[in-house]
Amino acid sequence: DVKVTQSSRYLVKRTGEKVFLECVQDMDHENMFWYRQDPGLGLRLIYFSYDVKMKEKGDIPEGYSVSREKKERFSLILESASTNQTSMYLCASSSLAPGAGQPQHFGDGTRLSIL
Amino acid sequence: AQSVTQLDSHVSVSEGTPVLLRCNYSSSYSPSLFWYVQHPNKGLQLLLKYTSAATLVKGINGFEAEFKKSETSFHLTKPSAHMSDAAEYFCVVSAALNTGGFKTIFGAGTRLFVKA
Repeated sequence: DVKVTQSSRYLVKRTGEKVFLECVQDMDHENMFWYRQDPGLGLRLIYFSYDVKMKEKGDIPEGYSVSREKKERFSLILESASTNQTSMYLCASSSLAPGAGQPQHFGDGTRLSIL
Repeated sequence: AQSVTQLDSHVSVSEGTPVLLRCNYSSSYSPSLFWYVQHPNKGLQLLLKYTSAATLVKGINGFEAEFKKSETSFHLTKPSAHMSDAAEYFCVVSAALNTGGFKTIFGAGTRLFVKA
């Protein structure tokens, strides 16, 4: 089974802090994704990566950056956390491109609160 | 352009009765379609996928979905609901873009309640 592991289930940080969310997958997948999930808004794509050191902006990249130094690890960085970034963050991975019919495999999420 | 609409935000059924969760999509190209389930405080788990093979797709836990191109629908069904089916369900469409990339769109979700 594919395993996508997010380093923290719950995280509380203060406004202005730099926050790192870590995600590791064990299936040698090329693609990795970061989403945020908010009530009534569904899942929104923040960034994705299709290879090491490659990244593409998603629909809501403002206030975030990402890092992919190794194939199995994809980090989401909140440069200066703000209260409107309080949310559930989901990491996912997939092999090849999603449009080729490959499903995404999700971690259990990190519930981040910014105070 | 791509879009996906889940027609019901909430569905409530009694245990042992059929489940129907409705999904309509639009896509300029031949799409791949997926249903995912999310239990509280968990990530999304793949239930089933359609990728241009058989139009009736069987998934895990007794769920199935039928791809109907003429109706642009991909409704999720289960003959008999179980209490453990109570969760949120997401319909997802993914297709190639004319720019060469791919786009994946998640529906807003349908929350399924199962009454004893």
